Amino acid sequence: QVTLRESGPALVKPTQTLTLTCTFSGFSLSTSGMCVSWIRQPPGKALEWLALIDWDDDKYYSTSLKTRLTISKDTSKNQVVLTMTNMDPVDTATYYCARTRITIFGVGPDIDYWGQGTLVTVSS
Amino acid sequence: DVVMTQSPLSLPVTLGQPASISCRSSQSLVYSDGNTYLNWFQQRPGQSPRRLIYKVSNRDSGVPDRFSGSGSGTDFTLKISRVEAEDVGVYYCMQGTHWPPSITFGQGTRLEIK
Repeated sequence: QVTLRESGPALVKPTQTLTLTCTFSGFSLSTSGMCVSWIRQPPGKALEWLALIDWDDDKYYSTSLKTRLTISKDTSKNQVVLTMTNMDPVDTATYYCARTRITIFGVGPDIDYWGQGTLVTVSS
Repeated sequence: DVVMTQSPLSLPVTLGQPASISCRSSQSLVYSDGNTYLNWFQQRPGQSPRRLIYKVSNRDSGVPDRFSGSGSGTDFTLKISRVEAEDVGVYYCMQGTHWPPSITFGQGTRLEIK
């Protein structure tokens, strides 16, 4: 049974750095093809993919946010961490982590299982 | 980045009637391996998204067979043959063909009961 759970602060101040942790079970990030993505959703708005880390520790970022994002993993703890610098009120959103699988050729990311999400509010 | 455009953005439907959601991509989603990496997700109120359909037309386990996906190239459709109350929510299409650089989602279509 695949599960993911996001954790982190509910409130951050503008200009601060956000650190979120995704703790998962039911799969291993050392398995070929396995990845974890971060996706966010501002209140009442659409989903936005942020970052992905794969089993080989390759990292991929949203074109528009890549200068602010860092993704990392701790395979032994089954955790993936996302940091986002210089937070702004427009970054207020529910942040999700999700299991993502890619083919043996390293393409075709397929998001299948999602965490429950964690709401992060950016306000002074 | 590839842009995904859904229509309509709001879809009022009578219970028991069919519903159809369109998703168009700014570039063909056919990858060189012959696959088309287009998924559909359902997000019920207050819940996380749930995958319904992967690679255009493959229904996930546990998804009712009233849901079906079709399309090719740049035009895709999610159909619900007979809408039930539990289908209320927002539906998103997502492409993975043009990754990297990005996985992109449509704006979402809100289905409500008329």
